[in-house]
Amino acid sequence: DAKTTQPPSMDCAEGRAANLPCNHSTISGNEYVYWYRQIHSQGPQYIIHGLKNNETNEMASLIITEDRKSSTLILPHATLRDTAVYYCIVRVANTNAGKSTFGDGTTLTVKP
Amino acid sequence: KAGVTQTPRYLIKTRGQQVTLSCSPISGHRSVSWYQQTPGQGLQFLFEYFSETQRNKGNFPGRFSGRQFSNSRSEMNVSTLELGDSALYLCASSPTGVGEQFFGPGTRLTVL
Repeated sequence: DAKTTQPPSMDCAEGRAANLPCNHSTISGNEYVYWYRQIHSQGPQYIIHGLKNNETNEMASLIITEDRKSSTLILPHATLRDTAVYYCIVRVANTNAGKSTFGDGTTLTVKP
Repeated sequence: KAGVTQTPRYLIKTRGQQVTLSCSPISGHRSVSWYQQTPGQGLQFLFEYFSETQRNKGNFPGRFSGRQFSNSRSEMNVSTLELGDSALYLCASSPTGVGEQFFGPGTRLTVL
């Protein structure tokens, strides 16, 4: 699986959009981008995933660049409860999810 | 639908002892993966079970083992505990092992 690079930390004001970047310049054509988050002392929570088209669900939007070398997770209206570590991983979708490699992630702090 | 459950939530053991952790996946999920999370190493993949068979294995010593039962419940065993085994052990399930994973709350193991 391709390696990802994320900034170690970011701050965001409550109510504003949080934009979390991820670099995956060695991504292969059949690898998907997945995002998870982990709130302190809890298990990671799946957020969203995509291949090349932008995706949106009730939690977030995922914007993937045309060359697929980077992506951005967008939380449109961040709340204090969105404070967490956000992990970006890339993985071939039809392979075992258990082999996912989680990096260090980005610690997002939402401030009032 | 009930989420992934893990028992016990907290455990204290001494060096040299062994420990068994349990994971009950979401109903209908046949894939169960185990991860170890420590402050220094982050989230590391231990192994994955699917239909009672170990399908993938991470780079951990043989002291770490697991199994899966016919009802998809899984157990993880660590023998001859070392201080460095102190960690949060997370279990994740998915229907087939492909796609997103659903994590449990984890078992916090402390080795004294």
